[in-house]
Amino acid sequence: KQEVTQIPAALSVPEGENLVLNCSFTDSAIYNLQWFRQDPGKGLTSLLLIQSSQREQTSGRLNASLDKSSGRSTLYIAASQPGDSATYLCAPGGHSGNTPLVFGKGTRLSVIA
Amino acid sequence: DAGVIQSPRHEVTEMGQEVTLRCKPISGHDYLFWYRQTMMRGLELLIYFNNNVPIDDSGMPEDRFSAKMPNASFSTLKIQPSEPRDSAVYFCASSPRGATDTQYFGPGTRLTVL
Repeated sequence: KQEVTQIPAALSVPEGENLVLNCSFTDSAIYNLQWFRQDPGKGLTSLLLIQSSQREQTSGRLNASLDKSSGRSTLYIAASQPGDSATYLCAPGGHSGNTPLVFGKGTRLSVIA
Repeated sequence: DAGVIQSPRHEVTEMGQEVTLRCKPISGHDYLFWYRQTMMRGLELLIYFNNNVPIDDSGMPEDRFSAKMPNASFSTLKIQPSEPRDSAVYFCASSPRGATDTQYFGPGTRLTVL
């Protein structure tokens, strides 16, 4: 059974810092991996999807990398802003396109102005 | 598109009552997912459908929970009878093509069982 760990559970940084959020998973035979953002009291919003054959994916100030063999992914946020404050969850997909995502518990990020 | 729509947004009920949560997925999406989120357990998949057919219900906690998808634009999650430990936020999500495709989440229903 896939288990997903996100470290740290919470992080507080001053505005402008570059930061890295970590995700590790126990079963490396994944189809893809997604990173989501969740604002308080809201649903999840997909940020990035990395296919198992890719090493990284970029969107604006966000860059996600994937090392499938070691069971790790990182989300890099450049020049953090107070609007980036949210909980970030990673979710590796299963062995095939029809094996559902398993979510980590997330990292709660606070960016202080 | 209005996105995934869930109702009600908040539900407070007494133990033993029946609760029905509703979801309208994004039009054209073939997959629909029901999740439950708690502080202790995080986000857990309860059940998902492909083209209105339940594919995996292994996450449904017990027989008190049931889910239906009578057509492509509507799904329900029912809890009968409800218990205080069912208190959580329940999310519905949909995706266009597969269980690992980009998923679009609704705003959730916050359920409190007294």
